[in-house]
Parts: sequence; C-alpha cells; structure tokens
Amino acid sequence: DAGVTQSPTHLIKTRGQHVTLRCSPISGHKSVSWYQQVLGQGPQFIFQYYEKEERGRGNFPDRFSARQFPNYSSELNVNALLLGDSALYLCASSFGDSQETQYFGPGTRLLVL
Amino acid sequence: QQQVKQSPQSLIVQKGGISIINCAYENTAFDYFPWYQQFPGKGPALLIAIRPDVSEKKEGRFTISFNKSAKQFSLHIMDSQPGDSATYFCAVGGYQKVTFGTGTKLQVIP
Repeated sequence: DAGVTQSPTHLIKTRGQHVTLRCSPISGHKSVSWYQQVLGQGPQFIFQYYEKEERGRGNFPDRFSARQFPNYSSELNVNALLLGDSALYLCASSFGDSQETQYFGPGTRLLVL
Repeated sequence: QQQVKQSPQSLIVQKGGISIINCAYENTAFDYFPWYQQFPGKGPALLIAIRPDVSEKKEGRFTISFNKSAKQFSLHIMDSQPGDSATYFCAVGGYQKVTFGTGTKLQVIP
C-alpha cells in the first residue's frame, strides 16, 4: 500500500511568489495535517483538516491557507513568500480526527530566494 | 512558549551502548507522549508512545520512561546500532494536537 505522498519533492521560488503544495493521504485516511519543519527544528503544526473541514490551525500568518478535497487529498497554499518560509513542508494523514496516530509523507523542500 | 524541551541536541554512542534522550514539559493537561524517528530525506515516523497512566513502555530495544511528578519522559535505545542513527523527536499532546520538541541527532558509531 502506498503511504502518504507529497508533490513536488523540491521547489525553488522567489520572494513574493505564491506556492501550492499537494498531499495525498493513505487510502482510507480522512484527516490531513500540515507541518513546517525548519532545518534543525521539530515540525511546527500549521493546519489540520478532517472530512474537508478545518479542525485546527497553528500560529501561522494568514498567508498560509489550505483545503481538503472530496477524495481527502489536500493543498497547502502560501502567498507572498518570505525568505523565512524556506523549510520542509510535511503532510501527515490519520484515519480519524486525532493527530495521535499519524503517518508522515516525505515532505516538500521549499527554498525561497 | 516552548511546550516541550528536549535534550541533548546531539548524541554520539558506540555500537551496543545505550542512547538516552530526555524531554520535559510544563502543561499537565497533556496525555499523549510519543517519540518519532526521522531519517534524512524522510518524514518523521512514530516510534513508540506512552500515556501518563503508566511509568514505562517497552517495544523491542526502545523504552519510554515517564515521570509524571517531574513532568519528564525519556527514550532509551538499548544495544544501539548504526542503523539507529537518525534524528529523534519527542512530542506532547492530546487527541487533536501534537507538539514536537527540537530534536536530538543520534549518531551510533561502530
């Protein structure tokens, strides 16, 4: 069975641009959470979606938004990119709305120049 | 405010030795304490987790020790192997939110 998949694997953008990251959860999983992992730090929670509804939001500016589609895949959008947005963006899926048993994808490495 | 403090930042252990990583938290409302393992280029993977109603949980070579009164918990890796070389994250949380520590980079040398 396929695990959590994310695309693209790597991305280079310039300041002020917009980016869309994509995530496909494990088959049967209905919850997707997004995390930002800056080099040398632990993942920081951005959003959780369950059954297409936002269930939680971390301490990130409104430039960050997300949505979940009927097939439970998800997009993370970041507008007006800043240099500090350079990070590994991780998606995690779980069957229910709990973050306790979640499975992470390999991440999308974003570099903002 | 940092929800969980993890130490050490890095650790070098000889093959066959015991690796110990510690975490401390403040909020007594947390009821879920997992450890994640992350290899370079991969996302974190859940290794082992504990609830506050037990003081120890063991799975193979990995053991969590939990001290509720001290608000501390630790990961012990027995008989450490070079394949255990990775970054380990503790986390704290509850049903709908998990907060990660800053990570410990473990290197097991032959």
